[in-house]
Amino acid sequence: SQQGEEDPQALSIQEGENATMNCSYKTSINNLQWYRQNSGRGLVHLILIRSNEREKHSGRLRVTLDTSKKSSSLLITASRAADTASYFCATDEDSNYQLIWGAGTKLIIKP
Amino acid sequence: DVKVTQSSRYLVKRTGEKVFLECVQDMDHENMFWYRQDPGLGLRLIYFSYDVKMKEKGDIPEGYSVSREKKERFSLILESASTNQTSMYLCASLSGGETQYFGPGTRLLVL
Repeated sequence: SQQGEEDPQALSIQEGENATMNCSYKTSINNLQWYRQNSGRGLVHLILIRSNEREKHSGRLRVTLDTSKKSSSLLITASRAADTASYFCATDEDSNYQLIWGAGTKLIIKP
Repeated sequence: DVKVTQSSRYLVKRTGEKVFLECVQDMDHENMFWYRQDPGLGLRLIYFSYDVKMKEKGDIPEGYSVSREKKERFSLILESASTNQTSMYLCASLSGGETQYFGPGTRLLVL
């Protein structure tokens, strides 16, 4: 089942600009995670935000969570060419370790 | 660092062949997962295992089986490969926390 939906599906910006991606989900969650996938590779965990948190930072990454709107955003500041990748949000389900994944946002950073 | 390896990066098989995809993790994680990833569909869970010899069906188990004889190894088996199983296959493992660690993926082409 697919719970998270990322928006936009694709995003192309100039190097140095900020990139914002959004994720919406349908049911209540304990936490929400963001992962990055470089082309043709596996996914790498970026950041986890819990349902009782509203904002979290990690380096150039800023994640917000609005449980009332069932949505999250990932902001990458001062983008670099190496940030070119697909970004996925994933939410947990109660009682097991499964994650529910969105379809991803493809981010392209133009030099 | 956690390391998850997959037996092949690229694989070409013929319709009807039996296909084995292997995944090995080196961090003594209890939980392991097999996903398939198709454009526009995100990650879909095929099977997961929460302990040796234990398995649970995910969202799309049809046409697949799994084996977990040792804690570090989780195998995905396509009993009789079909063209609609052409996809990217991703293995992941999970410790007691919430973050999943992914292998590099196996791109399977079934002719």
